[in-house]
Amino acid sequence: EAQVTQNPRYLITVTGKKLTVTCSQNMNHEYMSWYRQDPGLGLRQIYYSMNVEVTDKGDVPEGYKVSRKEKRNFPLILESPSPNQTSLYFCASSLTGGAPEKLFFGSGTQLSVL
Amino acid sequence: GENVEQHPSTLSVQEGDSAVIKCTYSDSASNYFPWYKQELGKRPQLIIDIRSNVGEKKDQRIAVTLNKTAKHFSLHITETQPEDSAVYFCAASRDFGNEKLTFGTGTRLTIIP
Repeated sequence: EAQVTQNPRYLITVTGKKLTVTCSQNMNHEYMSWYRQDPGLGLRQIYYSMNVEVTDKGDVPEGYKVSRKEKRNFPLILESPSPNQTSLYFCASSLTGGAPEKLFFGSGTQLSVL
Repeated sequence: GENVEQHPSTLSVQEGDSAVIKCTYSDSASNYFPWYKQELGKRPQLIIDIRSNVGEKKDQRIAVTLNKTAKHFSLHITETQPEDSAVYFCAASRDFGNEKLTFGTGTRLTIIP
């Protein structure tokens, strides 16, 4: 089944404790992206990747890191999480980033930073 | 960068009536405008999209219109049904793709039986 898999679904952590949210897709998509969803603010892009080893900042990249060493994986790293990073996070992928392709979203990761 | 404003933030309509959600964008170079639907507790899913060289697109009960001069686009849902209840997000980007897709703040649509 074609899908984008995120883990974990729920995560509660404390300020400053490094964490990684994993994202994997099995559709051989070139483009992958991370969004955070906050009430009243919609979906905001954190980082995106047009292909392997190519990443770029979205609109809200501060406090986050990403890597794209393999085509299928695009982990989101919070080196020192803070309470303002409490949010619902979505990973998404599409065949390419430069054409009007459907974005496939993962099931989301609800992160709480205490 | 691009800024997308979406209105209204909440909308309630009687089942069978029509619903309209409007978005405006700031970047005149934007040329791709998708709409995503997010049911409660689920992931967003694409329902329809339009490119800047097209003024209107329809898919059964859903239609999107684009006014490039005014820099706004709208989602129209006719003959609404309970399963249309969801949060709807508009989005805009350049380069006809998802590279830097900017989303609106969302509209919570409730269909009243």
